[in-house]
Amino acid sequence: AQSVTQLDSHVSVSEGTPVLLRCNYSSSYSPSLFWYVQHPNKGLQLLLKYTSAATLVKGINGFEAEFKKSETSFHLTKPSAHMSDAAEYFCVVRYPNDYKLSFGAGTTVTVRA
Amino acid sequence: EAQVTQNPRYLITVTGKKLTVTCSQNMNHEYMSWYRQDPGLGLRQIYYSMNVEVTDKGDVPEGYKVSRKEKRNFPLILESPSPNQTSLYFCASSLRSGGAINEKLFFGSGTQLSVL
Repeated sequence: AQSVTQLDSHVSVSEGTPVLLRCNYSSSYSPSLFWYVQHPNKGLQLLLKYTSAATLVKGINGFEAEFKKSETSFHLTKPSAHMSDAAEYFCVVRYPNDYKLSFGAGTTVTVRA
Repeated sequence: EAQVTQNPRYLITVTGKKLTVTCSQNMNHEYMSWYRQDPGLGLRQIYYSMNVEVTDKGDVPEGYKVSRKEKRNFPLILESPSPNQTSLYFCASSLRSGGAINEKLFFGSGTQLSVL
């Protein structure tokens, strides 16, 4: 069965420092991969997606993610965290010919002033 | 404004009392889906629908029903709610492309359900 694992349940960073959120997926097939963000009391919003084009994907708000097939990873990064980045982030996977999306458990990001 | 509208935002009920959470989208999306969000478990899919009168089970369908009589509406029905269905529920919709869903899901604002 397809699965996605977010390696950190909580990440705390200082404003202006880099953010790294780690995600690994099971490797049965080449999947489509996404990162969604959920701000407090809001629905989820798409940050970026990988669909077998460029392995480095740029998203909104300065986020980017790199697809590494050899490591079955799709880590999310941002060079400089902002207070508004405090939210929960979900790594999501979809496999070919599958209409379902599988969500990771989520990583909560806190940003210290 | 393009949006997915869920109602109600908050609902407190008692065990066994039937309830319906409504979901409506104004983007003419074919695909609609329900998720529940629980701490440490992320979002788990309950049911989804590829088009009118076409629905299928997700990962956690037990205790839930859905219907898709119109393209814009996809209500979630709990015939006999139980405390383990206390959760945050999200409805989402998307276009289909090439036989599969377009991956950008549009989410509603969520419904916090408490079953006592």
